Amino acid sequence: GQQVMQIPQYQHVQEGEDFTTYCNSSTTLSNIQWYKQRPGGHPVFLIQLVKSGEVKKQKRLTFQFGEAKKNSSLHITATQTTDVGTYFCAVTPAGGTSYGKLTFGQGTILTVHP
Amino acid sequence: DAGVIQSPRHEVTEMGQEVTLRCKPISGHNSLFWYRQTMMRGLELLIYFNNNVPIDDSGMPEDRFSAKMPNASFSTLKIQPSEPRDSAVYFCASSLRGELFFGEGSRLTVL
Repeated sequence: GQQVMQIPQYQHVQEGEDFTTYCNSSTTLSNIQWYKQRPGGHPVFLIQLVKSGEVKKQKRLTFQFGEAKKNSSLHITATQTTDVGTYFCAVTPAGGTSYGKLTFGQGTILTVHP
Repeated sequence: DAGVIQSPRHEVTEMGQEVTLRCKPISGHNSLFWYRQTMMRGLELLIYFNNNVPIDDSGMPEDRFSAKMPNASFSTLKIQPSEPRDSAVYFCASSLRGELFFGEGSRLTVL
């Protein structure tokens, strides 16, 4: 089955420091999505990447999709306490439809110390 | 606009009892997903529907779990009989173009 590895599992940063989480797949992907879940909350969609080498930005967040479409990263510049939460990647294997089965990574738990 | 609505938000029951979780997807969305979240196993896809038809139920743990979607605006996930290892947060999500919109979840505790 689809294997998705997210690293690191935990990340503690001081407010103002940068943060990066990585998502690696054992197989080529059709697309990858990123979600954020606040403590006690539900996952909220952030972005979808589809093209090889794609880079997208949302304010302080930068998302990249690898050239081989097997890995992705989420980078947050100058973290704030509002960035606290768990960041998940979710993947659809190549050949699957974008409306179909998503496999979630284990998530990276980010804590930010003020 | 209302998001995905789940009920109950919290359920505490005893082992052996039947549990029914309910979900109302966002109007117009044609795909519906049931996920289970635990600390140990993370977010696991249990089953998903497309246009009310079950497409993949390979994640359903065992015969004690069943899910239905009788119409486009309602789905249920039933556990009968429940066991302590079923304790988890159960999320329903709906989708139209691939991005998932999650409900707030149903936290189930089986004693």
